[in-house]
Amino acid sequence: EPEVTQTPSHQVTQMGQEVILRCVPISNHLYFYWYRQILGQKVEFLVSFYNNEISEKSEIFDDQFSVERPDGSNFTLKIRSTKLEDSAMYFCASIPVMNTEAFFGQGTRLTVV
Amino acid sequence: RKEVEQDPGPFNVPEGATVAFNCTYSNSASQSFFWYRQDCRKEPKLLMSVYSSGNEDGRFTAQLNRASQYISLLIRDSKLSDSATYLCVVRMDSSYKLIFGSGTRLLVRP
Repeated sequence: EPEVTQTPSHQVTQMGQEVILRCVPISNHLYFYWYRQILGQKVEFLVSFYNNEISEKSEIFDDQFSVERPDGSNFTLKIRSTKLEDSAMYFCASIPVMNTEAFFGQGTRLTVV
Repeated sequence: RKEVEQDPGPFNVPEGATVAFNCTYSNSASQSFFWYRQDCRKEPKLLMSVYSSGNEDGRFTAQLNRASQYISLLIRDSKLSDSATYLCVVRMDSSYKLIFGSGTRLLVRP
C-alpha cells in the first residue's frame, strides 16, 4: 500500500539553527500539506501546496518557514532559525484530489534545545 | 468559539461497551467531514469519512447533522485495541486545509 514517508523520524537541533524536514508524498497525489502537533495539543495546519505553489497557509507559517518541492517527488519544510517553541511533531500529508481524506506520514519529532 | 470542538474525555469503558463521541463545528460552510484515529505519538489515520446520510463501517457508525453542525461517532462492542484518541476533522468549502478538533481520548479496559 502506498504511503507518505518522512525523514528523519527525530531531529534534535540547537536554537537558531536551520532545519529541513523531508517528505515523499504518495506518487499520484496532487495536494501536499504540513501540519504540526505540539505535545499534548491538537494537530495544527501550517501550509498547503498545489501546482508548485503555496495555496494556503496559517498564521503559524511566518517568514521563518518555507516549503518547496525541488525535484517533483520530495516535499520539504524548512525552518530558518529554530525557536524552542518550534519543538513539535511535524506531519506531512497528501491527497489525490480535493475533498478526499488526507494520508499522513509518520511524522518528524523536532526537538529544539 | 473553537472551529471544531470535542469533549476531551477520557472515556473509560469496559470491553464490549458502546461509546459515542460528539463533535461540533462552527462554520456552516464546512464541506467535508472525517473521523481520524491517533495513537500515542503516532500520525492521524483515517477511521472513516462522514456522509450526510450517515454511514457505517463494521462496529463504527458516523452521523452528520448539518442543521445543528454536529457530527457523531458510535463505537459498538469496544475492543482493547480501540483505545486511542479520536479526532473530528472538517474541511470548509473552497479551502484546502483540514481543521482538527483537539480529540477525544478513549480507554477500553479489560
